[in-house]
Amino acid sequence: DGGITQSPKYLFRKEGQNVTLSCEQNLNHDAMYWYRQDPGQGLRLIYYSQIVNDFQKGDIAEGYSVSREKKESFPLTVTSAQKNPTAFYLCASTPRGDRANEKLFFGSGTQLSVL
Amino acid sequence: KQEVTQIPAALSVPEGENLVLNCSFTDSAIYNLQWFRQDPGKGLTSLLLIQSSQREQTSGRLNASLDKSSGRSTLYIAASQPGDSATYLCAVFGGSARQLTFGSGTQLTVLP
Repeated sequence: DGGITQSPKYLFRKEGQNVTLSCEQNLNHDAMYWYRQDPGQGLRLIYYSQIVNDFQKGDIAEGYSVSREKKESFPLTVTSAQKNPTAFYLCASTPRGDRANEKLFFGSGTQLSVL
Repeated sequence: KQEVTQIPAALSVPEGENLVLNCSFTDSAIYNLQWFRQDPGKGLTSLLLIQSSQREQTSGRLNASLDKSSGRSTLYIAASQPGDSATYLCAVFGGSARQLTFGSGTQLTVLP
C-alpha cells in the first residue's frame, strides 16, 4: 500500500532533550511538509521540502530542524529550544510541490508530550 | 494575512439528515480550497479540492461549493451516517506568499 508512515505514534520528551519524529513515504512524491496541530486550532506549517537536500522554513520553524537526504524521508527534530513542544505533528506530501493544483496526502501523526 | 474561520466549532445531528458545514476566508486571492476529514488521533484525508475557477466539486454524498467573491465555501453532506462523524477542516491556498491556511475545523457527530 502506498502512503506516508509516521513513527512513533506517541513520543515523550524530557526537559532539555532533542527528539526526532520519523516520516517516510512510498508515493514517489517530490514535496514533503511538517505541520503542527494544537487542540482546537488549524494546522501550522513548520518546514517543507520540494527536492532532496533542500528545505524551507514555514511559519513556526523556531526550535525545529529537518533534513531531506532521501526523497522518501523527511525527519523532524524537536530541539530543546522549542519550549512548548506538546502537540500533534503531521507529515504530508504532494506529488510535485504544486499546492495550487495538488491535494495534500497526510500521515497518521505523532503525538508529542513533555514529561 | 489570510484568516480561515469555520463555524460552528461543533455540530450534532441525527442520522439521515442533510447538513452544511461552513468555511469563510478573508482574502479572496486564492488558488484553491480543500476540504479534509480528520478522525480522532489520525491524520487528515483530502475529500475535495476546488480550484479558484470552479464553483463546486462533488464526490458521492459530498458536495463542496466555492464563492470566491464573498470568501465562502460550504460542504454539503447528504443523508448523514454515523460513520461521517469526524472533524472537517477547510484550507485555502493562495496569497502573495503562496501559503496554505487551515481553519480550526467543525467537529461533526451524527447520532444513530
